[in-house]
Amino acid sequence: IAGITQAPTSQILAAGRRMTLRCTQDMRHNAMYWYRQDLGLGLRLIHYSNTAGTTGKGEVPDGYSVSRANTDDFPLTLASAVPSQTSVYFCASSDSSGRDADTQYFGPGTRLTVL
Amino acid sequence: GQNIDQPTEMTATEGAIVQINCTYQTSGFNGLFWYQQHAGEAPTFLSYNVLDGLEEKGRFSSFLSRSKGYSYLLLKELQMKDSASYLCAVIDSNYQLIWGAGTKLIIKP
Repeated sequence: IAGITQAPTSQILAAGRRMTLRCTQDMRHNAMYWYRQDLGLGLRLIHYSNTAGTTGKGEVPDGYSVSRANTDDFPLTLASAVPSQTSVYFCASSDSSGRDADTQYFGPGTRLTVL
Repeated sequence: GQNIDQPTEMTATEGAIVQINCTYQTSGFNGLFWYQQHAGEAPTFLSYNVLDGLEEKGRFSSFLSRSKGYSYLLLKELQMKDSASYLCAVIDSNYQLIWGAGTKLIIKP
């Protein structure tokens, strides 16, 4: 079944540790996104990529980095985790062409707790 | 700044109709989305409006007035499974998606 997968589903992490959240899509969408969702704040964009080989900063990029080596994968790395990065992380993708343009499709999310 | 306002929480009765409002102030406008998000799950696409008027899709309809910076999502014949958060999001002039905080809809029998 086509879609977006994320790993891990959940993770408890000690502060200061490095962590990579994985995201893979098989819809051949050109654009991909990482969001964090905190209670009462809605979805906030961390980083995005409009096409393979390019990335951009969103609303809350500090403490996070991304790479887009190919169309399908868009990993998010926390270089040195802090408790304020405790959140639910969603990866999403969209296709910028066709009548479905700009509609974002979301992965199941990763629940991250930093202690 | 950019802002999207939605009520935090609404309660409705099974079988009834509910209207969830969304007002926005953004730098430009290139479309408005409504998403549904059940607790502990990912947001899923419901509707997209770019022109003024009403878009109907089964029990769900979405309305847009660009001049008023206003949209609503109308849910008819409410079912218990409609209990979820409903997220409004606007595409701005830079084609960035700006998200509202969402409206938690509680359906009572």
